Parts: sequence; C-alpha cells; structure tokens
Amino acid sequence: NAGVTQTPKFQVLKTGQSMTLQCAQDMNHEYMSWYRQDPGMGLRLIHYSVGAGITDQGEVPNGYNVSRSTTEDFPLRLLSAAPSQTSVYFCASSNYQGRGSDGYTFGSGTRLTVV
Amino acid sequence: GNSVTQMEGPVTLSEEAFLTINCTYTATGYPSLFWYVQYPGEGLQLLLKATKADDKGSNKGFEATYRKETTSFHLEKGSVQVSDSAVYFCALRTGNYKLTFGKGTLLTVNP
Repeated sequence: NAGVTQTPKFQVLKTGQSMTLQCAQDMNHEYMSWYRQDPGMGLRLIHYSVGAGITDQGEVPNGYNVSRSTTEDFPLRLLSAAPSQTSVYFCASSNYQGRGSDGYTFGSGTRLTVV
Repeated sequence: GNSVTQMEGPVTLSEEAFLTINCTYTATGYPSLFWYVQYPGEGLQLLLKATKADDKGSNKGFEATYRKETTSFHLEKGSVQVSDSAVYFCALRTGNYKLTFGKGTLLTVNP
C-alpha cells in the first residue's frame, strides 16, 4: 500500500516555465487536496477535489490549475512559474470524514524552486 | 470561519523535559481536533485526535484533551526525546473533508 505518492521530490524552474506536480493515491479516497508550505505561514490550501470531475479553489489558487479525471490522480499545474511560487507542495487525501476518522494522508512533498 | 492558533515557536528543550504546545481554536459547529507531526524532510502524519468534548487523544507518549469550555487542545508530553524534534501542527475539521491548520510549532530537543 503506497499511500500518497508525489513526484518529483525536487524541481528547479526558470521564471515563466510551466510544469505539473503529480499526486497519486491508491486508497480509493474521494477527497484530494494540494497545500503549499512556506516558513511562518503554515499550510495553505491551493485547490481541492471531492471526487472525479469535481474541483474547487482553496485560499491561494492564483497561478495554479488542477483537474481530477480519475479517483487516483490529482495533478497540480503551474502555468507560468514565478519566484513567489517557490515553496514545498504537499498533496493530501482522505475518504469521507465521519466523526471517528483519521483526517488526511499526506504525500512526502515536492520542493520547488523558481529562479 | 474556522481558525487555529498555536503558540509561536521555535521551542527548544533538553531531553526528558516536559513539553506543552498550546493550541486554541475558533469554529463554526462542533469540530474534531487533530495534532499532526512533520519530521524533517517528510510530509505530515497524524499524531493524535479527539472528536468530542473531554476526549483525550494519546499516542507515543503525547496527549491532548479536547476542552470545549476553553476552545483548546494543548499538546503535552512528560519527557521528550531527541527523536521528538519536529514541527507540530494543530488542526480542526467541522465539515466532511476540509481541515484547517495552525501555522505549526518547531520543536528542537537537545541531548
């Protein structure tokens, strides 16, 4: 059981380049989300999805696109990278959150640097 | 809306010291509460949880009690180890999916 798999682990981009951060889960979780983690800012939600074909914006969606064509995959696309997008990105997934549930399963992160 | 406030870090302790990391929250509705831990270079993982008032979550020697009257969920450990060095996040959930996180508290334990 691999859990949540993120690729790549590290990436350096030049300003203006585009790229896709991959996230895959094998737990049949309905909910998937992307966060960015910056020093002193905690975790900020970028986009999330409650099922295939359904996505919505979080707190900081500008400059990012997502799609959810399958239950397993939730890629995050940077359209035109900017230095302000230098961050560590985490993907997280969960099933329906009944009151006794354990919250999210996180991937190990992608460290992105935009120069 | 929902929000979580954690004590500012970093926190630096000697091995075997007592740890408290404060967490208070504001929520619409009746939240479930969580503590997550992030070890260096890794993603977050669930440490403990509590789903109703007066519940005590516990794991790996850490404890936190859901205090509805003070809207708090403070994390405690009686004797920390070097291996406990990590970032700790308090979080809450009121709906079906979304978690709201605090900003995290960096703990460093020295031998």
